Amino acid sequence: DGGITQSPKYLFRKEGQNVTLSCEQNLNHDAMYWYRQDPGQGLRLIYYSQIVNDFQKGDIAEGYSVSREKKESFPLTVTSAQKNPTAFYLCASSIVEAHNEQFFGPGTRLTVL
Amino acid sequence: GQQLNQSPQSMFIQEGEDVSMNCTSSSIFNTWLWYKQDPGEGPVLLIALYKAGELTSNGRLTAQFGITRKDSFLNISASIPSDVGIYFCAGRDNYGQNFVFGPGTRLSVLP
Repeated sequence: DGGITQSPKYLFRKEGQNVTLSCEQNLNHDAMYWYRQDPGQGLRLIYYSQIVNDFQKGDIAEGYSVSREKKESFPLTVTSAQKNPTAFYLCASSIVEAHNEQFFGPGTRLTVL
Repeated sequence: GQQLNQSPQSMFIQEGEDVSMNCTSSSIFNTWLWYKQDPGEGPVLLIALYKAGELTSNGRLTAQFGITRKDSFLNISASIPSDVGIYFCAGRDNYGQNFVFGPGTRLSVLP
């Protein structure tokens, strides 16, 4: 089945630790995205990548880092520099053409204790 | 930056009723998307709109791209319990590469 997978579903970390969230897609999409979702707010873009080995900062990139070594994978690292990391993180992918609707993974809920 | 507003913020309806919600923008968009999100899951794309005035249906769902290109509407007919969730709109203008998301409308369906 084609789709986007995120792991793990739930993640707990102690304050001050870096943590990496996984995102994999087998849709052959060139573009991938990371969003953060907080209660009562819309999705906010953290980072995006339109091609392997290239990525750009979104609206709230501070305290996060990404890599895009493979087309299928776009891991997100939440660093200790992120002041308020507890949130629901969503990964998405799309084609890079005019009608590039984004398709989302199931999300990872990160709780920093 | 661009912002989207969704109205209403939340709504409670009886099963079988029709539902209307809208999304407004401070700027002109060339693409509107509507998503539904179940609790603890990722958003699922419902309908995509590409032209001003366009009216598109997906089963009991109908969405319209506003004539002004600054708004979009989503209607759900004959609501059922599984319609419960948060409905997000997303828009993109001619210059933007990425979509802007609204804060969502939370729908509750009472039996």
